[in-house]
Amino acid sequence: QVQLVQSGAEVKKPGASVKISCKTSGYTFTTNAIHWVRQAPGQSLEWVGWINTGNGDTKYSQQFQDRVTLSRDTSARIAYMELSSLRSEDTAVFFCAREDYDIWSAHIKFDSWGQGTLVTVSA
Amino acid sequence: DIVMTQSPLTLPVTPGEPASVSCWSSQSLLHTNGYYYLDWYLQKPGQSPQLLIYLGSNRASGVPDRFSGSGSGTDFRLKINRVEAEDVGVYYCMQTLQTPYTFGQGTKLEIK
Repeated sequence: QVQLVQSGAEVKKPGASVKISCKTSGYTFTTNAIHWVRQAPGQSLEWVGWINTGNGDTKYSQQFQDRVTLSRDTSARIAYMELSSLRSEDTAVFFCAREDYDIWSAHIKFDSWGQGTLVTVSA
Repeated sequence: DIVMTQSPLTLPVTPGEPASVSCWSSQSLLHTNGYYYLDWYLQKPGQSPQLLIYLGSNRASGVPDRFSGSGSGTDFRLKINRVEAEDVGVYYCMQTLQTPYTFGQGTKLEIK
């Protein structure tokens, strides 16, 4: 079955960077894009961006554009999200989610999610 | 960016009773292909979100038929015919018409 397993919790100081991994299994890695979503404590969900796992193309939310880098390792079937210049407001759980693209409707939906990675930014 | 607004933010429901969540978008979610790009997710306590409804009214695989979605334009609704204890959690609407994809604030369903 499809599984997305994320790396463990991180504690970082303001100004530092964090790199989270999302290890996939149960499907052909390069056929489904991976999206990243942020959830601050007690808050809603924010879309961070996505990566085409086939060709590596990326698209970022403008809110994160200057600080986020999405990448992937196709041989290891892992997607990564790196967020730099961390600040206290970045304290959140970050989720990776697999995109299911329907060619008939040209619609995407997130059909499988990782368990989430808590990033705590504190001096 | 498309702003998504949900109501109510908290929804106390007696088991067996119906429940409804409303979601409004700041612009129409109608794609040129005739589909509405509005999905519903449920985040159960301590879990990751899970897909419930896509394209406004289509139940995802394995979702019980007591869940239904409807709506058009900028006005959408999620209905639960008879709430069960396992339905507790936070319900989010999400638009995927254009990036950045955006979510509503969430509606917390709790059992009375």
